[in-house]
Amino acid sequence: NAGVTQTPKFRVLKTGQSMTLLCAQDMNHEYMYWYRQDPGMGLRLIHYSVGEGTTAKGEVPDGYNVSRLKKQNFLLGLESAAPSQTSVYFCASSYFGADTEAFFGQGTRLTVV
Amino acid sequence: KQEVTQIPAALSVPEGENLVLNCSFTDSAIYNLQWFRQDPGKGLTSLLLIQSSQREQTSGRLNASLDKSSGRSTLYIAASQPGDSATYLCAAPAEYGNKLVFGAGTILRVKS
Repeated sequence: NAGVTQTPKFRVLKTGQSMTLLCAQDMNHEYMYWYRQDPGMGLRLIHYSVGEGTTAKGEVPDGYNVSRLKKQNFLLGLESAAPSQTSVYFCASSYFGADTEAFFGQGTRLTVV
Repeated sequence: KQEVTQIPAALSVPEGENLVLNCSFTDSAIYNLQWFRQDPGKGLTSLLLIQSSQREQTSGRLNASLDKSSGRSTLYIAASQPGDSATYLCAAPAEYGNKLVFGAGTILRVKS
């Protein structure tokens, strides 16, 4: 049972480049989340999904897009990377939202130069 | 708007001490609260999910309590060990949207 798996683990981008972060969960969870973690700012929610085919904006959605075409996958896209998007990105999932236990991936460390 | 605060921001204790980490939240209309552990360079690991009906939840040397009326939760760690050194985060449900709001965390260092 792999839990929540994020790909890639590390990435360096040049300003203006695009990339997609992949999150996969094998627990049949309905809810999936993308967070970013920055020093002094804590964990901030970027986007989330309450089920296959749905997405919703979180606290800091600007500059990011997401898709949930399959229940087990949640993709986070950066269309035109900026240095302000340098961060550690975490994906999480839970069976039914905030009332159920959340499981996190190991994170993706992204640097935009 | 739900806001979560953790005190202290950092804590350093000698091995063997019992310690308490504090978490406060502004919107008390919650049904549960979660505590997580994060090791350096790693993701978050769920420690305890405490329901408002339970008031307390225990796992090994960890005990979490939840007092909705005062907007507070505490995580008690008994007989601390160097392996407990990590950042501990609490998270409460947001006022809407079925998502979690995280505190900034308490960085714990247990010295051997």
